[in-house]
Amino acid sequence: DVKVTQSSRYLVKRTGEKVFLECVQDMDHENMFWYRQDPGLGLRLIYFSYDVKMKEKGDIPEGYSVSREKKERFSLILESASTNQTSMYLCASSVTGAKNIQYFGAGTRLSVL
Amino acid sequence: QKEVEQDPGPLSVPEGAIVSLNCTYSNSAFQYFMWYRQYSRKGPELLMYTYSSGNKEDGRFTAQVDKSSKYISLFIRDSQPSDSATYLCAMTYLQGGSEKLVFGKGTKLTVNP
Repeated sequence: DVKVTQSSRYLVKRTGEKVFLECVQDMDHENMFWYRQDPGLGLRLIYFSYDVKMKEKGDIPEGYSVSREKKERFSLILESASTNQTSMYLCASSVTGAKNIQYFGAGTRLSVL
Repeated sequence: QKEVEQDPGPLSVPEGAIVSLNCTYSNSAFQYFMWYRQYSRKGPELLMYTYSSGNKEDGRFTAQVDKSSKYISLFIRDSQPSDSATYLCAMTYLQGGSEKLVFGKGTKLTVNP
C-alpha cells in the first residue's frame, strides 16, 4: 500500500511564526502535491513538484513556499503565518503516467492564532 | 478554467437506500474520471476511476460517465452507515505534456442506521 505520511495531525501556531509542514511518501513517486481544504472551497492546489529540487506554483501559492531536496520528502513552508492560513493541509503523491491518481496523507489541521 | 461542479449536499439517507452522487463539467478535454472518498478528519482515498463513457462496477459502487452530456455519477447500492463520508469527484486533463487533476468540492453523505 502507498503510504503518505504527514508529520503532524494538529498544529497551533502564532501569527508571524515560520511554519514547516513535512510530508514523506514511501512509494518512490515522482510527483508530490500540497493542497489546502476549506469548507465550501474544496481542495485548492498550493504547490506541486515533478522532480527533486523542482517546484511549480498551483492555484494559490501566495504566502507559501516549498522544498523538495529528496524524492520522498516535500515540505510546505509558511514564512510568516497569518490567521487566514488556518486550514486543513493535505499532501499527495502520484506516479507519472498513471492518470495522475493521487494518494493522500491524513492531513494537518493548522490553526494560526 | 477547467471547472467541475458538484452539489455539496449535505445528503442524508436511511440505511439500505440507493445513493446517487453527481458531477458536471464543461470542458471536453477531461480524460479520466475518478471518485474519492474522504472520511472525517482523514485524507481522500481513491474509490474508483474510469475512462470511457458507460458504467464501471465495484461491489456496491457503480461509476457512470456520460461524455456527451459531460456528466458523471457514483451510485451506492444498499448504503451502509460506514459509507458516511464526503465524496469528491475528480477529473484529469493533459496540459503541457503532464496530467492535471481537478477536484469537485465534494458532497457530504450521511447514512442513518
